[in-house]
Amino acid sequence: GENVEQHPSTLSVQEGDSAVIKCTYSDSASNYFPWYKQELGKGPQLIIDIRSNVGEKKDQRIAVTLNKTAKHFSLHITETQPEDSAVYFCAASNSGYSTLTFGKGTMLLVSP
Amino acid sequence: GEEVAQTPKHLVRGEGQKAKLYCAPIKGHSYVFWYQQVLKNEFKFLISFQNENVFDETGMPKERFSAKCLPNSPCSLEIQATKLEDSAVYFCASSQTQGNTGELFFGEGSRLTVL
Repeated sequence: GENVEQHPSTLSVQEGDSAVIKCTYSDSASNYFPWYKQELGKGPQLIIDIRSNVGEKKDQRIAVTLNKTAKHFSLHITETQPEDSAVYFCAASNSGYSTLTFGKGTMLLVSP
Repeated sequence: GEEVAQTPKHLVRGEGQKAKLYCAPIKGHSYVFWYQQVLKNEFKFLISFQNENVFDETGMPKERFSAKCLPNSPCSLEIQATKLEDSAVYFCASSQTQGNTGELFFGEGSRLTVL
């Protein structure tokens, strides 16, 4: 089955800095890669996703890049704000198998 | 409804007791997923449904866990004879389409504590 590795497990940045979270996946058939943000005591919320037919996608301060050859994808957050503090999860799924496999999460702390 | 509704928010059970969790998916969503999140944040997939049919149950512990999605009723996840290691937050999510093509909308979770 699919295996998703996520790094780092914790990330501390100063407000205004950029944050990068990286994930690798094992199943070359995977073609959908969402990122979820989970705040304390809440369920995960989708913040951005990318499909295997594109290499990069951007939504305001958030961007995701995908390298299919290397089987890794990354989340980039620019101009971080304290409200970006949360746990971020990457995930992957393949075309014939709908279940998402999640990484183990990155706790992002943005200090004012 | 406009959001995935999970009940109860918190449930405490003694080891060996039964626990039952409920999930009402977003109206119009055909797919329901159950995930278990343990203390170290890791999400473990349990089971998914397409309407009332089991779609994928590869993550489901066979012995004590069962789940149903019946027409006109909330979906349910039941754990018979709970064990300490069942303590976790159980998330339900729903989707209009299969998980690999569309967004999963998660509920707020049900925290199960087994003493």
